[in-house]
Amino acid sequence: NAGVTQTPKFQVLKTGQSMTLQCAQDMNHEYMSWYRQDPGMGLRLIHYSVGAGITDQGEVPNGYNVSRSTTEDFPLRLLSAAPSQTSVYFCASSYEGQGARYTFGSGTRLTVV
Amino acid sequence: SQQGEEDPQALSIQEGENATMNCSYKTSINNLQWYRQNSGRGLVHLILIRSNEREKHSGRLRVTLDTSKKSSSLLITASRAADTASYFCATRTASKLTFGTGTRLQVTL
Repeated sequence: NAGVTQTPKFQVLKTGQSMTLQCAQDMNHEYMSWYRQDPGMGLRLIHYSVGAGITDQGEVPNGYNVSRSTTEDFPLRLLSAAPSQTSVYFCASSYEGQGARYTFGSGTRLTVV
Repeated sequence: SQQGEEDPQALSIQEGENATMNCSYKTSINNLQWYRQNSGRGLVHLILIRSNEREKHSGRLRVTLDTSKKSSSLLITASRAADTASYFCATRTASKLTFGTGTRLQVTL
């Protein structure tokens, strides 16, 4: 099925560990974004990309790294996990057009202990 | 800080009633979008209104946009129990989509 695929769905990390959250879309969307969702905070933008090789920071980029080597994939790397990064992470993608809606993945629930 | 603030934070109504949610934002936008999130799930796009539009309808949804006040409202008419969810406004500026804090809607039988 076409859409945005996130893996894993659940992950538990120890403080200081690193990991990569995977995001892939098969709709040939130019734009891709990563969000985190915490209770009462809505979704906050971590990093986003407007095309392969181009990334930029969102509202809360510290502690995260991204790259966009292909149109399809946009992995999010946690460099050294901290308990404050316990959250639900969503990846989303969109066409470039200003009238385009975003399509969201089903999320990754990350717990850092 | 987040671009949008939504009001109310929580809303409880009975089936058949109308639900109105409001969103305020801070900067100029290209468009404003509304999304729904069922508990523990991803977000689903509901409706988009461009900055040069004032009102838009889709089924039981009605969205208004007032760019002079930097505000929008979402009206769900004749609500159903299945409408129970969190609703988020999101503003599109250039290449970013920024979300508000959301309204939790509970529709009871």
